[in-house]
Amino acid sequence: NAGVMQNPRHLVRRRGQEARLRCSPMKGHSHVYWYRQLPEEGLKFMVYLQKENIIDESGMPKERFSAEFPKEGPSILRIQQVVRGDSAAYFCASSPPSGRGGTDTQYFGPGTRLTVL
Amino acid sequence: GESVGLHLPTLSVQEGDNSIINCAYSNSASDYFIWYKQESGKGPQFIIDIRSNMDKRQGQRVTVLLNKTVKHLSLQIAATQPGDSAVYFCAENSQTGGFKTIFGAGTRLFVKA
Repeated sequence: NAGVMQNPRHLVRRRGQEARLRCSPMKGHSHVYWYRQLPEEGLKFMVYLQKENIIDESGMPKERFSAEFPKEGPSILRIQQVVRGDSAAYFCASSPPSGRGGTDTQYFGPGTRLTVL
Repeated sequence: GESVGLHLPTLSVQEGDNSIINCAYSNSASDYFIWYKQESGKGPQFIIDIRSNMDKRQGQRVTVLLNKTVKHLSLQIAATQPGDSAVYFCAENSQTGGFKTIFGAGTRLFVKA
């Protein structure tokens, strides 16, 4: 049973380019969460999605950032017109269907390390 | 700001000793707490969780203690091994907090051989 998959593991972009990060949740999981982590810091919540729905995006910047979790395929975190401050590790987590939403155990992927030159 | 914080940013222990990592939280409505272990270059790995209707939960070599009176959470690791060296995060969630899981800053555990 494969865990949470993220790709690419490393992504290098120049300022102004777009970054697309992908996340495939664990089998049977329908909740996906995206977090951002700067070096030597904790994880900061960005967005919580269920299939075809954004449930909570309160942690995501209003501009340039968007996320989706389509009916088919992986969840995508998209960063448009990247700036150097976007450089960080981006982690995806998933959890099984539950009435408690974010209070279920979340299982993390290996992360995508974004470097903006 | 974050509602979860840690008392000690780094902890160094001798192999075989017990480790205790502490965490304070400020949201008295938090009802679910999780400890994660993160090794360098990897994603956080679930260790153990506890809900607010409990004050202690044990796993394999790990125990989580919850003191709701003083809003304190701790992770105890028995017979610490070199493989336990990592950064440990406590995290909290509450229904009133929505669906966000709030992570603390982390404690780096060094295990000396």
